[in-house]
Amino acid sequence: SAVISQKPSRDICQRGTSLTIQCQVDSQVTMMFWYRQQPGQSLTLIATANQGSEATYESGFVIDKFPISRPNLTFSTLTVSNMSPEDSSIYLCSVVSGYTDTQYFGPGTRLTVL
Amino acid sequence: RKEVEQDPGPFNVPEGATVAFNCTYSNSASQSFFWYRQDCRKEPKLLMSVYSSGNEDGRFTAQLNRASQYISLLIRDSKLSDSATYLCVVNTNAGKSTFGDGTTLTVKP
Repeated sequence: SAVISQKPSRDICQRGTSLTIQCQVDSQVTMMFWYRQQPGQSLTLIATANQGSEATYESGFVIDKFPISRPNLTFSTLTVSNMSPEDSSIYLCSVVSGYTDTQYFGPGTRLTVL
Repeated sequence: RKEVEQDPGPFNVPEGATVAFNCTYSNSASQSFFWYRQDCRKEPKLLMSVYSSGNEDGRFTAQLNRASQYISLLIRDSKLSDSATYLCVVNTNAGKSTFGDGTTLTVKP
């Protein structure tokens, strides 16, 4: 299994500011995923972060709003830019075990935008 | 139509009851299937994978019907600690996971 940590665990931010969320994995992984879970809803994939190349974004998500870095095989960041209250959500980082296809999640970052 | 659809719930059952959750998926190219459990204010955690032959883990039984594109989860002898949201997850061969909206289970004494 993979052990994933995220920082910060929660934050309250003002409208118009940006927040960078960090994700650290205890093993090297090719792909890391960023999800959003809005209150009362299931998980929605934002993008796939590949080491050494640009992230691949899902429909409805763009790089200018959610820039992602992937400097090495154990670390990634997601920035939520120019935040609005609609960005209030839990943001989760995830990796997939290559052997079992099992997905492991970080503890999430709970973001509230005022 | 959503790619992965689950019973809307919520399910409220007494301790000891048997409860079944259903899930359908629309992408016939889907390769692997899972049930995850998410406790309140926590991240999702794998409950069990779902295989074509069906699989059982203690009180939990998962079934897959590829022809009908249908997955189920059966929980026998429900415990209070089973109260959670259960997420149906479907992966394509591209490794992309699609989550259902989840079914909330509350087990009452």
